[in-house]
Amino acid sequence: KAGVTQTPRYLIKTRGQQVTLSCSPISGHRSVSWYQQTPGQGLQFLFEYFSETQRNKGNFPGRFSGRQFSNSRSEMNVSTLELGDSALYLCASSIRGGTGELFFGEGSRLTVL
Amino acid sequence: TQLLEQSPQFLSIQEGENLTVYCNSSSVFSSLQWYRQEPGEGPVLLVTVVTGGEVKKLKRLTFQFGDARKDSSLHITAAQTGDTGLYLCAGAWADSWGKLQFGAGTQVVVTP
Repeated sequence: KAGVTQTPRYLIKTRGQQVTLSCSPISGHRSVSWYQQTPGQGLQFLFEYFSETQRNKGNFPGRFSGRQFSNSRSEMNVSTLELGDSALYLCASSIRGGTGELFFGEGSRLTVL
Repeated sequence: TQLLEQSPQFLSIQEGENLTVYCNSSSVFSSLQWYRQEPGEGPVLLVTVVTGGEVKKLKRLTFQFGDARKDSSLHITAAQTGDTGLYLCAGAWADSWGKLQFGAGTQVVVTP
C-alpha cells in the first residue's frame, strides 16, 4: 500500500513569492491534515480537509490556505512568503474514525530567502 | 505555551542502556499518540493509548497513559542504535479530527 506522497520535496523561494505544495493521501483515506514543523515551534497544525471541505483550522494567518479535490488529494498554498515561513510542511492522511492516528508523508522542505 | 511538555529535550545513551521519555499536559486528551521521526522524514506512528492507566508494549518499548489521561511515558529497554530519533508525543481531542497537539519532542541518540 503506497504511503502519503508529497511534492515537491525541496524548494527555494524568495520573499513575496507564493508556493503551492501537493499531497496525495493513502488510498482510501479521505481526511488530509497539514502541519508546519520548525526548530523553534515544533509541529503546528495548519488545517484539516475532509470531503473537499476544511473542517478544522489552526492559528495561522490567511496567507496559508488549502483545498482538497474529489479524489482526496490536497494542496496547500502560502502567499506573500516571509522568511519565517521557512519550514518542513508535513501532510498526514487518516480515515477519520477510531482514535485519530495520522500517517505522515516525508514533507516538503521550503526555504524562503 | 506548549500544552504538552516533553522531557528531557535531549538524551544520549549507550547501546544496552534503558531510557524513559515523559509527556505531561494540563489538558485531558481522548487519546495520546507517540511518533518517531528521523532526519528528512515525516513522523511515524509507534502507538496510540486511549484508556487511563493503559500500558502497551511494543517489543522493547513500553508506553503508559496516566490515570487522568493527561500524561504519558515511553520506556525503552536495552536501547539499540536503531532507536535513535526524535520521539514526539501528540494528544488528540474527540471533536477536533486531524488536529493533534504535539510536544516539542525528545531527541534520543544511542551510541554503540
